[in-house]
Amino acid sequence: ETGVTQTPRHLVMGMTNKKSLKCEQHLGHNAMYWYKQSAKKPLELMFVYNFKEQTENNSVPSRFSPECPNSSHLFLHLHTLQPEDSALYLCASSQSSGLANIQYFGAGTRLSVL
Amino acid sequence: GENVEQHPSTLSVQEGDSAVIKCTYSDSASNYFPWYKQELGKRPQLIIDIRSNVGEKKDQRIAVTLNKTAKHFSLHITETQPEDSAVYFCAASSDAGGTSYGKLTFGQGTILTVHP
Repeated sequence: ETGVTQTPRHLVMGMTNKKSLKCEQHLGHNAMYWYKQSAKKPLELMFVYNFKEQTENNSVPSRFSPECPNSSHLFLHLHTLQPEDSALYLCASSQSSGLANIQYFGAGTRLSVL
Repeated sequence: GENVEQHPSTLSVQEGDSAVIKCTYSDSASNYFPWYKQELGKRPQLIIDIRSNVGEKKDQRIAVTLNKTAKHFSLHITETQPEDSAVYFCAASSDAGGTSYGKLTFGQGTILTVHP
């Protein structure tokens, strides 16, 4: 499946590192999402971009900085993370018309913060 | 905001048995309810969804029922198979505010194990 592609699949970083997660969708969608998936917790919506504009920021700490240069690409820039930020970060995309659009997920980036 | 509760957190069944997972939601404006399946190490994938204008939807061995009055919906899997083993997530969404994208609130997930 190549509809929504995330890189890297795995990332280990120290608390002082700066890294970026990348998401690319080939579905012609205009809405893109970042989710955090931690063990034994529901998927937590972090950010939503609709037509490249950020429309949702779910009280995410500033050490997470999203970027959406176009409707096909979404980045999550990471800086001075904490060990509790270790999780699976999922990207999703959907169409931007109609009610409650179906979201297509990437395979995620497994992040470990040491 | 919306709150979705999902039960049980784990479910173990024998192959061939039925499995039922239940979710409740809080926002009466919610009108779209998808179910996602996530196998170990893989992406969540939509398996079935239901909109508020119907009470039940079926796709082969999978069905979803919705009770808008009680604000709960359920996933039913019949004749379970070992490959049904995965984490299942329910979600709820509404068009409140006239957004043109789907803002989903997910349940906590249910780990389903089907024993051969």
